[in-house]
Amino acid sequence: QTVVTQEPSFSVSPGGTVTLTCVLSSGSVSTNYYFSWYQQTPGQAPRTLMYNTNIRSSGVPDRFSGSSLGKKAALTITGAQADDECDYYCAVYMGSGIWVFGGGTKLTVL
Amino acid sequence: QVQLQESGPGLVQPSETLSLTCSVSGGSITSDYYWGWIRQPPGKGLEWIGTIYKTGDSYHIPSLKSRVTISVDTSKNQFSLRLTSVTAADTAVYYCARVEYFYYYYMDVWGKGTTVTVSS
Repeated sequence: QTVVTQEPSFSVSPGGTVTLTCVLSSGSVSTNYYFSWYQQTPGQAPRTLMYNTNIRSSGVPDRFSGSSLGKKAALTITGAQADDECDYYCAVYMGSGIWVFGGGTKLTVL
Repeated sequence: QVQLQESGPGLVQPSETLSLTCSVSGGSITSDYYWGWIRQPPGKGLEWIGTIYKTGDSYHIPSLKSRVTISVDTSKNQFSLRLTSVTAADTAVYYCARVEYFYYYYMDVWGKGTTVTVSS
């Protein structure tokens, strides 16, 4: 069973840069995986941030960027702001109609 | 602008069946998207449950496959989730989502979620 691992928590200073990662536990490094990223504030539904690794969803500022290499994807926030403090989830499409979410990263901006 | 709204009982008895419906507005469920269910237990992360297409073609998380049924009603512009033999572990916020499946494979529109508690 594939596990998708994210850092449980991360901290960044206001104005700073942070990179969150998402790593698959299995699969081939040569496979083209479809990574997506979601942002969730407490009590709210997730908001789609990024898809196909590095395409920003509508309305997402360009200080959010994405990248991937093999079985690892990254979400970078440049110039972190106070309202970036929330949970971030990655999801990976594994093929055959199956998605797997990572455990999420709680980002603190302080 | 497509909007999704989950509905269903907020409390389900253990061993009973959880039934939720997602109503789609501002767009047609027969458009070229899949439609999915995701849940989030209290204090935990997101878990993909399954997805369905307008034709009834569906996929489910393997660990729930024997208990879960996802169906679509194109006449009502709705799709539904049915989870049998529920336990406390099924207590969660349940979200429905529109799923881009033919090019990029991601959830692009989310419902607000509905809380389901399994308890006697």
